[in-house]
Amino acid sequence: DSGVTQTPKHLITATGQRVTLRCSPRSGDLSVYWYQQSLDQGLQFLIQYYNGEERAKGNILERFSAQQFPDLHSELNLSSLELGDSALYFCASSDRAQGVETQYFGPGTRLLVL
Amino acid sequence: EDQVTQSPEALRLQEGESSSLNCSYTVSGLRGLFWYRQDPGKGPEFLFTLYSAGEEKEKERLKATLTKKESFLHITAPKPEDSATYLCAVQTLTGGSYIPTFGRGTSLIVHP
Repeated sequence: DSGVTQTPKHLITATGQRVTLRCSPRSGDLSVYWYQQSLDQGLQFLIQYYNGEERAKGNILERFSAQQFPDLHSELNLSSLELGDSALYFCASSDRAQGVETQYFGPGTRLLVL
Repeated sequence: EDQVTQSPEALRLQEGESSSLNCSYTVSGLRGLFWYRQDPGKGPEFLFTLYSAGEEKEKERLKATLTKKESFLHITAPKPEDSATYLCAVQTLTGGSYIPTFGRGTSLIVHP
């Protein structure tokens, strides 16, 4: 158990819909990272927040957005969903402001778009 | 564009049969190379960080090494519980931000 929690574990929805994925980092960690893992793309970095502020941006679509709240939990919002958005979404946390050394990953949310 | 290539894609070993996994990269401004282990349906688990050519790290049956163009994960006398997908990632400094790029992974199966 990494100490990072993600909800829900599974999510099934339809194309065009919007969903919110939630992540709580390990106690004391200020950084949260979001990743998408699909069979054809592998693990792709989406975005990083540190203490409520966006720190780094990867291959995140405009239809996707994220935020980190004062209690440090983070949410990833996916809108206008397409079939290709079906994937595992992971969040990870660390105690660093920059860099991905020693990230701790959560168990993931499996999203299926029908 | 930063690229990370892992080989082989899949590897089957007998218990006790040592081998190596390869991670080659073409990036500008490397700020670290990382190895993770991922079990099916779970999040990646951090194994090692390497920063400079010539550096080596060990943990139980695993040893990671780094050169200027690639990294190897050596598995000595593997056991069935070492079966997993091993992911390599590089971190680069791009536009003032540290960006991780992952390889597609090597799926390792160790038969008893």
